Amino acid sequence: EPEVTQTPSHQVTQMGQEVILRCVPISNHLYFYWYRQILGQKVEFLVSFYNNEISEKSEIFDDQFSVERPDGSNFTLKIRSTKLEDSAMYFCASTVDPNSPLHFGNGTRLTVT
Amino acid sequence: RKEVEQDPGPFNVPEGATVAFNCTYSNSASQSFFWYRQDCRKEPKLLMSVYSSGNEDGRFTAQLNRASQYISLLIRDSKLSDSATYLCVVKMVGGANNLFFGTGTRLTVIP
Repeated sequence: EPEVTQTPSHQVTQMGQEVILRCVPISNHLYFYWYRQILGQKVEFLVSFYNNEISEKSEIFDDQFSVERPDGSNFTLKIRSTKLEDSAMYFCASTVDPNSPLHFGNGTRLTVT
Repeated sequence: RKEVEQDPGPFNVPEGATVAFNCTYSNSASQSFFWYRQDCRKEPKLLMSVYSSGNEDGRFTAQLNRASQYISLLIRDSKLSDSATYLCVVKMVGGANNLFFGTGTRLTVIP
């Protein structure tokens, strides 16, 4: 069964540093998402992406965040200047259409020290 | 008011037991409903969609009550491998972000 894959599985960074989280969605999917989950809390929406542009973003997704689909397969989330409160699991998800369930990647655990 | 509310548990049940989880949602315009399963520090995985007429998948039964804005998940004959957190997920009408997650209900099945 095709999977959404994310790298790295764990990223440790110092406060103020830039990080790029990478995702390879399922190949025939067209809608891409980033979610995050702070330890012990619920999964929260960050941003959705379709047709090479952001469809929607949440309040969490401020100017420090950006997304990109640099080629036909990768989908990246960049945090320009990380803060301690950015420490969380970041999940990429994709779907073939917005009415179908999302398929989540294995996640990247980001630790900001 | 939270969009999706679940009893956080934990539910500790013996193998073979039947256990039920409930979920309520606040927005009557909600369109689609799902149960996801999440193991510790892993990604959410779709367990099943929830249809208006109720649906069953093996030992799992999901029901929806639109009038009461209530969703349930029933697990029969619990297995050790059912131990996980069960996430109630609601999709709203319109908008790219129309997925709302509950905080999850933690289930531990005890030998």
